[in-house]
Amino acid sequence: DTGVSQNPRHKITKRGQNVTFRCDPISEHNRLYWYRQTLGQGPEFLTYFQNEAQLEKSRLLSDRFSAERPKGSFSTLEIQRTEQGDSAMYLCASSLGRPSGSTDTQYFGPGTRLTVL
Amino acid sequence: GENVEQHPSTLSVQEGDSAVIKCTYSDSASNYFPWYKQELGKGPQLIIDIRSNVGEKKDQRIAVTLNKTAKHFSLHITETQPEDSAVYFCAPKPLTNFGNEKLTFGTGTRLTIIP
Repeated sequence: DTGVSQNPRHKITKRGQNVTFRCDPISEHNRLYWYRQTLGQGPEFLTYFQNEAQLEKSRLLSDRFSAERPKGSFSTLEIQRTEQGDSAMYLCASSLGRPSGSTDTQYFGPGTRLTVL
Repeated sequence: GENVEQHPSTLSVQEGDSAVIKCTYSDSASNYFPWYKQELGKGPQLIIDIRSNVGEKKDQRIAVTLNKTAKHFSLHITETQPEDSAVYFCAPKPLTNFGNEKLTFGTGTRLTIIP
């Protein structure tokens, strides 16, 4: 399977704990995105990387959230001091990174479902 | 930012009938109009897209039509099948802004095909 993969698929944690999710993009995809999706809503953009550079962050990404893509391949999303409001599906997507003005299709992974008790 | 709405929010159709979902957007700079399908337990997947220089695009049983003046575009599914049951999202965006790579998803439409 050469699609976007995410681990773990499910995570249950207690409030106040730290959690880390991993995303492995499609190989040769330069761009990697993180989105959050709550029940009954569409995905909301969190941040994206062009290779290892984090180029845009949403205001949804509070200081408890940090994302990295150290070698321009896989990425991690860490949430510190989790709160019940962090419960959601965290989706990762990747794209080739075509120039602006071109369509640059984003391919999504299956997501990591986080439940904060 | 972009304000994106979809109608209806839920839609049930008999197998074999057609389904139409409408997406209304606010950003007049949007010139790329994709539709995503999200099945239970999976991430969204692109099913069809259109650029603003084209009014309609068709791919087998699905089609997208665009009314740029009125700022809306629609997804049409003909001869619906049970596997079409899913949540559908539109995500219009401009292609010209460097750095503006994020997708802003609509409110979603849950389509149920009744066998």
